[in-house]
Amino acid sequence: NAGVTQTPKFQVLKTGQSMTLQCAQDMNHNSMYWYRQDPGMGLRLIYYSASEGTTDKGEVPNGYNVSRLNKREFSLRLESAAPSQTSVYFCASSSWTGNNEQFFGPGTRLTVL
Amino acid sequence: QKEVEQNSGPLSVPEGAIASLNCTYSDRGSQSFFWYRQYSGKSPELIMSIYSNGDKEDGRFTAQLNKASQYVSLLIRDSQPSDSATYLCAVLSMNSGYSTLTFGKGTMLLVSP
Repeated sequence: NAGVTQTPKFQVLKTGQSMTLQCAQDMNHNSMYWYRQDPGMGLRLIYYSASEGTTDKGEVPNGYNVSRLNKREFSLRLESAAPSQTSVYFCASSSWTGNNEQFFGPGTRLTVL
Repeated sequence: QKEVEQNSGPLSVPEGAIASLNCTYSDRGSQSFFWYRQYSGKSPELIMSIYSNGDKEDGRFTAQLNKASQYVSLLIRDSQPSDSATYLCAVLSMNSGYSTLTFGKGTMLLVSP
């Protein structure tokens, strides 16, 4: 099992450009999450999807959109990138059964110039 | 606003010593608590979870929970240089019927040979 995978690993954008970060999990998890991590700010939840077909805003959703494409895949889209969106983005997933433990992907390091 | 507080460190300990990492949380209704380890440039890795008051041991790691004091701690016995990382405390909370994690900003641990 690959666990949680993310693409791309690195990306540089110019202000105003758009891009989509991809995330997939092969653990048959119901819930998926997008976080950003900035120095001194910790991990902050952007959006989450409790189950296929549902998405909800987290702590810092402005400037982002998400799509839960199917049970495996959850994408994050930046429509018009801003320098404030320079960050490391992590996708995570968890199961309803068990103890809600979240497992993280390797991350995408995004720089917006 | 649900908060999770950790001392940012760095916490410096010599090899072989016990490292003690602490975390407090604001949501009195929280039931599940997690410790993640994050090496520089890598994604968070789940190392311990705890749900009941008291101690839970797993190898060199012991998690301690005191819900009355809203306090969680992680003890690392026989610390090794490979334990040098940032340790993130995370607390599970219910949000509109779904559960989400709130993370502390992390404590950096440095283990010197």
